[in-house]
Amino acid sequence: AQSVSQHNHHVILSEAASLELGCNYSYGGTVNLFWYVQYPGQHLQLLLKYFSGDPLVKGIKGFEAEFIKSKFSFNLRKPSVQWSDTAEYFCAVTEAGRRALTFGSGTRLQVQP
Amino acid sequence: EPEVTQTPSHQVTQMGQEVILRCVPISNHLYFYWYRQILGQKVEFLVSFYNNEISEKSEIFDDQFSVERPDGSNFTLKIRSTKLEDSAMYFCASTERPNVGTQYFGPGTRLLVL
Repeated sequence: AQSVSQHNHHVILSEAASLELGCNYSYGGTVNLFWYVQYPGQHLQLLLKYFSGDPLVKGIKGFEAEFIKSKFSFNLRKPSVQWSDTAEYFCAVTEAGRRALTFGSGTRLQVQP
Repeated sequence: EPEVTQTPSHQVTQMGQEVILRCVPISNHLYFYWYRQILGQKVEFLVSFYNNEISEKSEIFDDQFSVERPDGSNFTLKIRSTKLEDSAMYFCASTERPNVGTQYFGPGTRLLVL
């Protein structure tokens, strides 16, 4: 069974700092990749997704992620975080042809003003 | 913007009791899912459902669990005889298309089994 690893469990940054959250997955076949965000008291929301094509994917709110197949990675980045980015971030993967999302353990991001 | 809704937001039950968790998926979506998150652990897939059938399920989804679409709008998860370890947040999700569609999540139902 595939697994998804998020290396950072809790990240604290100051506003305007750059962000990179790591995500690695274990499955060797074709995958679809997602980053979801959960703001305090809200639903899981999709930030961005990768199915095919350009491995650099841009999402909402200035986030982007890069799929590096050779490293089985899909790291999330943002050049300059804001206080409103405080949330929990989840990387998730599906194997092509399957519907089940496999989630990482999540990274809690705290942005200090 | 259309949303997935879930009721109740919180439920407390005694061990051995049956619970039904309800979800209203986004209206034009055809594929439905249940996930759960035990406190401090990862979000885990339970089951997917399409055309009134289970299309995929995890090893967690054993005989004590069942899903149903009783009418044109609701999608339910029934836990027949709850155990302490069923205490978790249960999320419903829906998508218009499988495999390439985005799964939209509801706010969750927090279930506590005493």
